Amino acid sequence: SYVLTQPPSVSVAPGKTARITCGGNNIGSKSVHWYQQKPGQAPVLVIYYDSDRPSGIPERFSGSNSGNTATLTISRVEAGDEADYYCQVWDSSSDHLFGGGTKLTVL
Amino acid sequence: QVQLVQSGSELKKPGASVKVSCKASGYTFTSYAMNWVRQAPGQGLEWMGWINTNTGNPTYAQGFTGRFVFSLDTSVSTAYLQISSLKAEDTAVYYCARDGRPGQQLVPNWFDPWGQGTLVTVSS
Repeated sequence: SYVLTQPPSVSVAPGKTARITCGGNNIGSKSVHWYQQKPGQAPVLVIYYDSDRPSGIPERFSGSNSGNTATLTISRVEAGDEADYYCQVWDSSSDHLFGGGTKLTVL
Repeated sequence: QVQLVQSGSELKKPGASVKVSCKASGYTFTSYAMNWVRQAPGQGLEWMGWINTNTGNPTYAQGFTGRFVFSLDTSVSTAYLQISSLKAEDTAVYYCARDGRPGQQLVPNWFDPWGQGTLVTVSS
């Protein structure tokens, strides 16, 4: 079965850039979607199809996907970006699959 | 606006059953597949499966066969998750999440929006 690997935690100072990775075998050949989940709340879609932003999501959120790594990039990080972030793909052997999640801490 | 509203928290004893509802509004219910996702306390997201809202045909992920049943009432734009023979390890928040595009997963895609979640606690 397919496996997605995310770092458990990422820390960044306000105003800097955070990069959250999602690793998987040849993940660049798949479509990757990203969700933000704040404590006690439901997940919210922030990036779909590797790099598209839903309406209402700030331009500070961007995504890329190549080779064995997909990356969610958050520019000019704000305190309100502190949350758990999950990547998601579809794979023929695993159906829909989420990464283990990354806790973003804003220092 | 597109919205999914789930039923409230449940406290059940082991062996009992629970039925969680997910009422959709703001779009044509039968045009988009509905997914269910579990999140155990302090854990990540786990996809449970989906239901074709046009035909009512459910698909269950590995680990969610037997005790888990997805159903619909299209007359009130509502999807249901029923769990029988509850165990302590079923304690979790259960989310419904609509497919991001219409087409009943002809092409698997993202989930948007999500319901607010329903906490099911199983304890004697």
